[in-house]
Amino acid sequence: KNQVEQSPQSLIILEGKNCTLQCNYTVSPFSNLRWYKQDTGRGPVSLTIMTFSENTKSNGRYTATLDADTKQSSLHITASQLSDSASYICVVSARKRGSNYQLIWGAGTKLIIKP
Amino acid sequence: NAGVTQTPKFQVLKTGQSMTLQCAQDMNHEYMSWYRQDPGMGLRLIHYSVGAGITDQGEVPNGYNVSRSTTEDFPLRLLSAAPSQTSVYFCASARRDRGFQETQYFGPGTRLLVL
Repeated sequence: KNQVEQSPQSLIILEGKNCTLQCNYTVSPFSNLRWYKQDTGRGPVSLTIMTFSENTKSNGRYTATLDADTKQSSLHITASQLSDSASYICVVSARKRGSNYQLIWGAGTKLIIKP
Repeated sequence: NAGVTQTPKFQVLKTGQSMTLQCAQDMNHEYMSWYRQDPGMGLRLIHYSVGAGITDQGEVPNGYNVSRSTTEDFPLRLLSAAPSQTSVYFCASARRDRGFQETQYFGPGTRLLVL
């Protein structure tokens, strides 16, 4: 069964500190992996997308990594800011027959940045 | 561009009542979809559409209907509301070029409480 698991469920860090969020998946056949940021009361917003051949993708202070062999991804946030407080969701795309795809969503990691 | 808009923002229903959640996008995206988000779970796909006049079921379609008469609009109808449908509902749109490979743009969500 295709699954995406994220850890930790929640995380509290002080402003200015770095943190790393984890995503493990069992999805086949793998197409790509996305990280979304979801602010409280809002819809998710895409941060990065990585295909099978990409190991690292950066978006400002956000850096995502992908290890397709171990089926793991991480999202590293550098020099955290109060505005980084949000849920971060890992989404893996599985290729289906023809040109169709299935998106498997993780439950997200809730990140709280304290001043 | 307004992007993806959803109305209403909040709604309280009694069991058995019906209602329509509205979704509109002004980006001329072919793909539109409806998700529900429940605590501790990833987003689950309810219905989706690959273009005007074409709809299909997602992962959890029971109790919901959709139609797509125009490219812009994709309403979600609850036929007979049940407490299990208490959730936050998100509408999303994407360009069709590579199906769900394309980044989805989400609306702000509709919070629904069924008593």
